[in-house]
Amino acid sequence: DVVMTQSPLSLPVTLGQPASISCRSSQSLVYSDGNTYLNWFQQRPGQSPRRLIYKVSNRDSGVPDRFSGSGSGTDFTLKISRVEAEDVGVYYCMQGTHWPDTFGQGTRLEIK
Amino acid sequence: QVTLRESGPALVKPTQTLTLTCTFSGFSFTTSGICVNWIRQPPGKALEWLARIDRDDDKSYSTSLKTRLTISKDTSKNQVVLTMTNMDPVDTATYYCARDGYNLNYFDYWGQGTLVTVSS
Repeated sequence: DVVMTQSPLSLPVTLGQPASISCRSSQSLVYSDGNTYLNWFQQRPGQSPRRLIYKVSNRDSGVPDRFSGSGSGTDFTLKISRVEAEDVGVYYCMQGTHWPDTFGQGTRLEIK
Repeated sequence: QVTLRESGPALVKPTQTLTLTCTFSGFSFTTSGICVNWIRQPPGKALEWLARIDRDDDKSYSTSLKTRLTISKDTSKNQVVLTMTNMDPVDTATYYCARDGYNLNYFDYWGQGTLVTVSS
């Protein structure tokens, strides 16, 4: 199985400051169709996961534009340009390129 | 509006078989590329994909759990059922169903999840 490694695992951030989460895969996530199936999810306390970003850099409908995704191959990043209180929660990367789908360990974002 | 809702027992005993149902609306298996997945999350831990079924009834399972899992669908009822045999306390988790949309649009919608506790 493809291993997804996130860092850091805990991310204390001051309100209004930027935040960045790294996700590395044990194999390239470029699929045979040329797409890279790397998604990011947010899980607020007590809630279900919600997809934020699909195929590396595409924001889902309703996701604020302070969230952005980037990367290629095996290295990917989720950035929040200015952290707000509602961003508290755990963030997961996930790959769908190689069967089976696998998730990272999660990064817990908290407000300092 | 796409919605998914999980249902099933909150408590099962060790060695019993768990049966969970995902009832969905706002889409159907008649649409090309649609799949429904089961994913679980032990308390305080990460997400783990379990199984997927598509419109053609093709099924796939987690490598580590495939001998214990069965996924099926009832297209007329807009339901997907997951059974997991020989439940153990380590299987205590919130179980989610989630949709894959058209064109490998993985996990675009999720249910609210159902907590299953395995205890005697």
